[in-house]
Amino acid sequence: DVKVTQSSRYLVKRTGEKVFLECVQDMDHENMFWYRQDPGLGLRLIYFSYDVKMKEKGDIPEGYSVSREKKERFSLILESASTNQTSMYLCASRPPDWESTQYFGPGTRLTVL
Amino acid sequence: AQKVTQAQTEISVVEKEDVTLDCVYETRDTTYYLFWYKQPPSGELVFLIRRNSFDEQNEISGRYSWNFQKSTSSFNFTITASQVVDSAVYFCALSDPQTGANNLFFGTGTRLTVIP
Repeated sequence: DVKVTQSSRYLVKRTGEKVFLECVQDMDHENMFWYRQDPGLGLRLIYFSYDVKMKEKGDIPEGYSVSREKKERFSLILESASTNQTSMYLCASRPPDWESTQYFGPGTRLTVL
Repeated sequence: AQKVTQAQTEISVVEKEDVTLDCVYETRDTTYYLFWYKQPPSGELVFLIRRNSFDEQNEISGRYSWNFQKSTSSFNFTITASQVVDSAVYFCALSDPQTGANNLFFGTGTRLTVIP
């Protein structure tokens, strides 16, 4: 059974804090993604990775960075959290072929105070 | 440029009614894939269906059916005899070579509420 897990369902941080969101998949997928979901805007891609140590910017990378040291783990980092980064963050993974389905984790709802 | 439009922001229906969720897409490619995902209150996006651009056959899965029409660039989703458990946000998405081997391009979602 396909499984993508995220380290926290809910997270509350203060402005200026460094925040780590972790995502782990057990399907040996090459591709992993971080999305941000906001009301009325749907899902927007922040970063993706197509291999270990490889990363590409998505549509809204500003204020974020990522790390992929192992194939199964993809971390999203907020270097200095701001209130406008309060959002739902969704991680996904997918095999290398672009036609394939992406599999999503349960999401992390981050609140930055 | 790629674009997915879900014009219905919110829909409410009474249980057992049928409901159709609209999805209109734009792409310059002839080869592409369309997806529907369901996001229940728990938050996780659940894959429902994938359809490639060369297969215009409608598909039925239980109470769910999908109507793909390339002539109108639409990929609509119908739930027959809706149930309370169908209450969720539904996303339509597009994947094609223009978005790279990297990404799904999502619509803004339709929130469906089924009233008991």
